[in-house]
Amino acid sequence: DQQVKQNSPSLSVQEGRISILNCDYTNSMFDYFLWYKKYPAEGPTFLISISSIKDKNEDGRFTVFLNKSAKHLSLHIVPSQPGDSAVYFCAASAGIGTPLVFGKGTRLSVIA
Amino acid sequence: GAGVSQSPSNKVTEKGKDVELRCDPISGHTALYWYRQRLGQGLEFLIYFQGNSAPDKSGLPSDRFSAERTGESVSTLTIQRTQQEDSAVYLCASSLDTMEYEQYFGPGTRLTVT
Repeated sequence: DQQVKQNSPSLSVQEGRISILNCDYTNSMFDYFLWYKKYPAEGPTFLISISSIKDKNEDGRFTVFLNKSAKHLSLHIVPSQPGDSAVYFCAASAGIGTPLVFGKGTRLSVIA
Repeated sequence: GAGVSQSPSNKVTEKGKDVELRCDPISGHTALYWYRQRLGQGLEFLIYFQGNSAPDKSGLPSDRFSAERTGESVSTLTIQRTQQEDSAVYLCASSLDTMEYEQYFGPGTRLTVT
């Protein structure tokens, strides 16, 4: 029973265009959401997060949108760059100091 | 400053052998987590340590898995009588726990059981 779902295993985008990665969750107790980026042979690195009291958080080229009623969040990367090519994991937390629940990841390929 | 470190980076072992994986968290981080990622899957929670509290072992898949942590520093994850389905990347993460949600990951140990 997956509580965090990333239904697209892969996404291919041209350099300069927008990348949109989607994530759905089922547990209404989640109050904080995070996106991690992972390169091969490295651990996941924190990218951006959003609290459930907000609907948008922006950091440079990265914006995360949260739709609580739909239990859906998305990560927008604009403009996309070849260095953004990686696996992106959506994660959710039910409180500080609790284990994160991860989706299976979406592999983003940005084509030059 | 130094991030989370893990050793070994790669481990190949024969089925039935025991293995020990090590994690050094970020200095000052009171919370430490172990996750694993099997091929094509997301990260799966295994165990969580917070200060001197009893660890949350709810994610351990069987009693062959155990972990210890020395104070607020090094942790070891032990897998006894390894099976082929234990093959995965084992990731350790640490966080300030009471201060933030974000967890910071090490590079992982790739375990292959032959």
